[in-house]
Amino acid sequence: QKEVEQDPGPLSVPEGAIVSLNCTYSNSAFQYFMWYRQYSRKGPELLMYTYSSGNKEDGRFTAQVDKSSKYISLFIRDSQPSDSATYLCAMSVLEKAAGNKLTFGGGTRVLVKP
Amino acid sequence: AAGVIQSPRHLIKEKRETATLKCYPIPRHDTVYWYQQGPGQDPQFLISFYEKMQSDKGSIPDRFSAQQFSDYHSELNMSSLELGDSALYFCASSPRRVEVNTEAFFGQGTRLTVV
Repeated sequence: QKEVEQDPGPLSVPEGAIVSLNCTYSNSAFQYFMWYRQYSRKGPELLMYTYSSGNKEDGRFTAQVDKSSKYISLFIRDSQPSDSATYLCAMSVLEKAAGNKLTFGGGTRVLVKP
Repeated sequence: AAGVIQSPRHLIKEKRETATLKCYPIPRHDTVYWYQQGPGQDPQFLISFYEKMQSDKGSIPDRFSAQQFSDYHSELNMSSLELGDSALYFCASSPRRVEVNTEAFFGQGTRLTVV
């Protein structure tokens, strides 16, 4: 079983809808949580990061972390066709001063239809 | 804004050959990571460097080696290439840590094809 689980999708929504993405994890030592967006054949692009439970908002994006349930979510409001991509959650244990590895979920493909 | 630069963008090698991938981090970033992403898979951590010293190590084969130089750029050396090494190789960099671990910014990747 993978340390980080993510539904692969695809998740298809109409333009303007809210996209809801989530990941579950098994390693309670994870302290740092990120969401990346990856377009085909491109590098992952950092969207949000947080290291505490609760909500964090940035524009159309809201990230939620529930450490007690080992569950994180990303919500995208007013979705646009340009949001169509694969969304990857990533987590790390802060064991070292720097360079802590990220453990990724498998990614969810999102398709926003005009 | 400057991003992580990787070269080459594409590389085709034959089995048993050697390849060298280069990564130039964002200016003033002192931490570099290498990840391997196979088709339809999530990125798998290979190795990281902080201030030119190896920081963390993941599933990097013994045939691979990497280092970070005094100008903070990094190179991933891959020898005795196998067909299974065909993948996208990403480099990421992080700025100097202030209080907790900071976010990693990824380059556009090098697509390695082993034939």
